[in-house]
Amino acid sequence: GENVEQHPSTLSVQEGDSAVIKCTYSDSASNYFPWYKQELGKRPQLIIDIRSNVGEKKDQRIAVTLNKTAKHFSLHITETQPEDSAVYFCAAPQNTAGNMLTFGGGTRLMVKP
Amino acid sequence: DSGVTQTPKHLITATGQRVTLRCSPRSGDLSVYWYQQSLDQGLQFLIHYYNGEERAKGNILERFSAQQFPDLHSELNLSSLELGDSALYFCASSVEGQTRSEQYFGPGTRLTVT
Repeated sequence: GENVEQHPSTLSVQEGDSAVIKCTYSDSASNYFPWYKQELGKRPQLIIDIRSNVGEKKDQRIAVTLNKTAKHFSLHITETQPEDSAVYFCAAPQNTAGNMLTFGGGTRLMVKP
Repeated sequence: DSGVTQTPKHLITATGQRVTLRCSPRSGDLSVYWYQQSLDQGLQFLIHYYNGEERAKGNILERFSAQQFPDLHSELNLSSLELGDSALYFCASSVEGQTRSEQYFGPGTRLTVT
């Protein structure tokens, strides 16, 4: 099965700075890597995902990079804002059928105004 | 609002009891996934149903069971409850049967076992 490790567990940045969250995975066959954002007391929501046939994907202030050789992927948030404060989870498929996700332990991001 | 509904929002019950959590997927979604979120375990995949059939099982306890009905809503049954079962239970739905299609999470059911 897949094992996903996520670092750091907490991250505090000043508004306007960049934040980077890193995840490593164990199964080299994994080919889809979503990132979810969970605000306090709310549901997880997909913010960006990447498939293994690309190395980077951007959506406004958010980007995800994938290094298949090293088996790690990262979330980059630029020009952070207070509303970016939340817990962020990375995930990877747990099985070859691709219908089970293993989540990382989460990163609590705090953006200080 | 993701379009996924879950009931009840909160549930408080005693050890040894049995409860049923309900999930209605987004219109048109055939897949339902159940997750457990606790403080020390993070988000854990429990089980996946696609169009009424069980497709995958995660670390789901034998005391837990689920099913998806012909109208595609799903129920998660938790029995012989223990204190450690206290957690937030999410269901998510997607159009297809693979995680490569975006999963939309419901608001969750917070279960407290006393």
